[in-house]
Amino acid sequence: GDSVTQMEGPVTLSEEAFLTINCTYTATGYPSLFWYVQYPGEGLQLLLKATKADDKGSNKGFEATYRKETTSFHLEKGSVQVSDSAVYFCALSDQSGSARQLTFGSGTQLTVLP
Amino acid sequence: SQTIHQWPATLVQPVGSPLSLECTVEGTSNPNLYWYRQAAGRGLQLLFYSVGIGQISSEVPQNLSASRPQDRQFILSSKKLLLSDSGFYLCAWSPPGVSTGYFGPGTRLTVL
Repeated sequence: GDSVTQMEGPVTLSEEAFLTINCTYTATGYPSLFWYVQYPGEGLQLLLKATKADDKGSNKGFEATYRKETTSFHLEKGSVQVSDSAVYFCALSDQSGSARQLTFGSGTQLTVLP
Repeated sequence: SQTIHQWPATLVQPVGSPLSLECTVEGTSNPNLYWYRQAAGRGLQLLFYSVGIGQISSEVPQNLSASRPQDRQFILSSKKLLLSDSGFYLCAWSPPGVSTGYFGPGTRLTVL
């Protein structure tokens, strides 16, 4: 079945550091790929997405490129802020079926220190 | 615009007690609805999803059940809670045939 493997955390960075959170996936078809963010005590928010190979999703300074050849969707940000501290989830959605349920990675806790 | 509500926000229940968590969506019709659970320090596990009233699909066999009595209402239930049911329960919705899920604020359940 489909699966998502994320870089294990926690990750601790200083403000303005460069961030990479690795994500690789296994899927039988051509899934859509997502990054969600969960701030402390809250639900998940969609951060960015990509629906086909070579697409780049971006939002709030975060970027991720859908790499079919390496089955990866790594999250990057050039300069993190304290407010970026959260748990980040990589996810995929199988394109088949009417209920496009999401398969999530285990999440990566990011802490940004001032 | 669409909004999703969950309640209660937090809940502490003894082992063996019943459970009812409610989720409602506003501003859309015929959404796909989902229940996920997030155990402490772990990722999200899809529990149930529904593509219409009365249509429930279960992803993981367990002592939980789900119902969809109305188009925009999704309920998660249990007759007898277990310690292992503790976690953060998230409801989500998506338009039919669309992958993107919009999540509610979650319910933190502690079973003692």
